[in-house]
Amino acid sequence: EVRLVESGGGLVQPGGSLRLSCEASGFTFSGYWINWVRQTPGKGLEWVATINQRGSEKYYVDSVKGRFTISRDNARNSLSLQMNSLRAEDMAVYYCARGLSTTVGFDYWGQGTLVTVSS
Amino acid sequence: QSALTQPASVSGSPGQSITISCAGTSSDVGSYNYVSWFQQHPGKAPKLMIYDVSNRPSGVSNRFSGSKSGNTASLTISGLQAEDEADYYCGSKRSSTPYVFGTGTKVTVL
Repeated sequence: EVRLVESGGGLVQPGGSLRLSCEASGFTFSGYWINWVRQTPGKGLEWVATINQRGSEKYYVDSVKGRFTISRDNARNSLSLQMNSLRAEDMAVYYCARGLSTTVGFDYWGQGTLVTVSS
Repeated sequence: QSALTQPASVSGSPGQSITISCAGTSSDVGSYNYVSWFQQHPGKAPKLMIYDVSNRPSGVSNRFSGSKSGNTASLTISGLQAEDEADYYCGSKRSSTPYVFGTGTKVTVL
């Protein structure tokens, strides 16, 4: 069974930092692109970042470029998102989502972790 | 980076068919056959229902079907059931960014 379990969310002040993690199991982690997608409470989904199988290609939505860093450890089947200079508009539930193997999209999602940015 | 445009809400009676539209541009929906649809129940993670415009993952009911015409994609739910009541999001590859989602549609079963 494919499982993605996020952790690391919490309350942080504006300008602060937080590191999210996603632990994967039930599939060959090193064979897939993995993504972070966020959802503002009561609102829609926004793709945030993606990383390829070897960690050599990384892409970000414009609003987080220079502040967020996606990384992965294939030996530990884990994905991370380092978030710096957090803003109120970064407050959301953050999901990790597995990329489809042969095309564009996301087939499995974690349960999400909530990031609250407030003073 | 603007989202794809979906109607805020769509409703139907049990057994009826409903269609949700997803309006994009020539930079996303119109240029790529990489449109997906996701179902999300309250408090739950999104679930993939359709990928590559019209393909259903294993385990997804054949009551769900997808199509595309020009810059607009559509999701049709036939034989509407109470369990179909949820939020639905489309998504597509975009030339300027790896992925963009739609604004979301709340489906209500009357």
